[in-house]
Amino acid sequence: QKEVEQDPGPLSVPEGAIVSLNCTYSNSAFQYFMWYRQYSRKGPELLMYTYSSGNKEDGRFTAQVDKSSKYISLFIRDSQPSDSATYLCAMSDAIKAAGNKLTFGGGTRVLVKP
Amino acid sequence: KAGVTQTPRYLIKTRGQQVTLSCSPISGHRSVSWYQQTPGQGLQFLFEYFSETQRNKGNFPGRFSGRQFSNSRSEMNVSTLELGDSALYLCASSSDGRTSGRANEQFFGPGTRLTVL
Repeated sequence: QKEVEQDPGPLSVPEGAIVSLNCTYSNSAFQYFMWYRQYSRKGPELLMYTYSSGNKEDGRFTAQVDKSSKYISLFIRDSQPSDSATYLCAMSDAIKAAGNKLTFGGGTRVLVKP
Repeated sequence: KAGVTQTPRYLIKTRGQQVTLSCSPISGHRSVSWYQQTPGQGLQFLFEYFSETQRNKGNFPGRFSGRQFSNSRSEMNVSTLELGDSALYLCASSSDGRTSGRANEQFFGPGTRLTVL
């Protein structure tokens, strides 16, 4: 079983709907949680960055982390066709001396229909 | 500020050959990480370099190697290419939290798409 599980989708929603994405993980040492968006044939783009448990909002994006359940979520409000992409969750347990290493979920493909 | 750049963007090689990919991080970033992305395995961590030293390594065979130069630019090399090495190779740079206060905030380049025939 993978350390980070993410439903591959595709997730199809009408324009203006809320997109709900989530990941589960098994490594309780993960402390840093990120969401990336990746368009076809492009590199991942960092959307949200959170440390430990809690909620974080940035514009139309809300990230939630529940460490007790080992579950993280990303919500996209008022979705637009331009939000159509693959969304990847990523996590790290990095202690500074151990360096940067992100463990990714497999990604969820999202399609927002006009 | 310019983003992470990777060269070349596309490569076609045959089995048994070797390849070198290059990455230039964001100015001021000293950490460079490399990832392999395939449809079957997703994004997998290869290794990370910080101040010219390999600081972390993923579970890849020794055919995959890298290095970092004093200007933080990094190269990765794959020797004796196999068909399964066909993938998008992504480089990510990080300030290691020094300027943003965010440890592990990584910024990705566009990737090099390697096809092994």
